Amino acid sequence: DIQMTQSPSSLSASVGDRVTITCRASQGISNSLAWYQQKPGKAPKLLLYAASRLESGVPSRFSGSGSGTDYTLTISSLQPEDFATYYCQQYYSTLFTFGGGTKVEIK
Amino acid sequence: QVQLVESGGGVVQPGRSLRLSCAASGFTFSSYGMHWVRQAPGKGLEWVAVIWYDGSNKYYADSVKGRFTISRDNSKNTLYLQMNSLRAEDTAVYYCARFGLQPTGGGKEAFDIWGQGTMVTVSS
Repeated sequence: DIQMTQSPSSLSASVGDRVTITCRASQGISNSLAWYQQKPGKAPKLLLYAASRLESGVPSRFSGSGSGTDYTLTISSLQPEDFATYYCQQYYSTLFTFGGGTKVEIK
Repeated sequence: QVQLVESGGGVVQPGRSLRLSCAASGFTFSSYGMHWVRQAPGKGLEWVAVIWYDGSNKYYADSVKGRFTISRDNSKNTLYLQMNSLRAEDTAVYYCARFGLQPTGGGKEAFDIWGQGTMVTVSS
């Protein structure tokens, strides 16, 4: 199975900050990576897929990059509605796996 | 509108069985692979199982293999998860999700549609 390691597991940031979350796969996944945002009590919401393709309706302050085993989600200017938990997910293998999550909290 | 609605959750004793359902509407259900994902209380997301758009292939997480069975009825636009030999560690919110990539190659390679989730509690 492909293991997905996300870091950090949590972070504190202020409105307007640039935030970066990383995700490392245990083997190369050829950009077969998605990012999701989840707020308490809600289902996850798709943000990006194919490592860098923005889902329709998602603000452009969200961006993704990476290749091989290492991927990054960047929020260019954190907004109040962005405080949530973020997950990466690989779909290179038929056994899909998620990262452990990154909780973004208000500083 | 496009939506997925789970049902069938509840409280069940260890060792017993439960079947979850996920009703799809607003899209051509038979064109998409479908997944179950779960989330234990206070924990992260865990992928559980996938079934191909036509039911031809099914794959499971090691944690549920041999105990859970994913299935679908494309005539009823419904996805199922049969859960047997339930354990306390199966306690979670169970979500169904659509994988947006279609067999023809169109769509999005990700879980683009999610249900609201149904809670399963395994406890004596």
